[in-house]
Amino acid sequence: AQKITQTQPGMFVQEKEAVTLDCTYDTSDQSYGLFWYKQPSSGEMIFLIYQGSYDEQNATEGRYSLNFQKARKSANLVISASQLGDSAMYFCADIPGTASKLTFGTGTRLQVTL
Amino acid sequence: DVKVTQSSRYLVKRTGEKVFLECVQDMDHENMFWYRQDPGLGLRLIYFSYDVKMKEKGDIPEGYSVSREKKERFSLILESASTNQTSMYLCASSPDRRPREKLFFGSGTQLSVL
Repeated sequence: AQKITQTQPGMFVQEKEAVTLDCTYDTSDQSYGLFWYKQPSSGEMIFLIYQGSYDEQNATEGRYSLNFQKARKSANLVISASQLGDSAMYFCADIPGTASKLTFGTGTRLQVTL
Repeated sequence: DVKVTQSSRYLVKRTGEKVFLECVQDMDHENMFWYRQDPGLGLRLIYFSYDVKMKEKGDIPEGYSVSREKKERFSLILESASTNQTSMYLCASSPDRRPREKLFFGSGTQLSVL
């Protein structure tokens, strides 16, 4: 069974600083995908970034980048130049190559301070 | 933009009641999912469906059933609500089975069972 581990229940970062949110996964599939979602206090889940297991480059989307280390089975999210609006819950998720159901981690609550 | 609509934002029910949570998507997506979200546990998959009239159990299907009579609508049913089903319920959809396809989420239903 797939397992996603996010070891940081909560993180603080100062505005304009970069922050890394950790995520490790445990899959025996050769083909899989990794997602990060953001959940602000309003509750909606917002897609941030995707990394495929065969993608050679680390994914980037604006201020978000994914530090993908396949051998270590880690897919850390890096947010550069943090903004107050980045305060939210962040979830890592993975998906096997054979299906489309996501397995989520327990989330990290990020608080951006002045 | 894809819209996934959950019929209620907040719901209060009594123990033993039959509860229906409705979800409608407007983009002709094949896949639909029901997750529940609890603090410290992240999102856990209850049921999902890849097509009309078909359903598959997720990781925590006990106490729940689902119905998908039309492609755009996926209903979650609590046959006899219990207090341990108090939770946030999130519906999601995705276009097809390709693993790169992200999930689109509704805004959630916070269910309280008293």
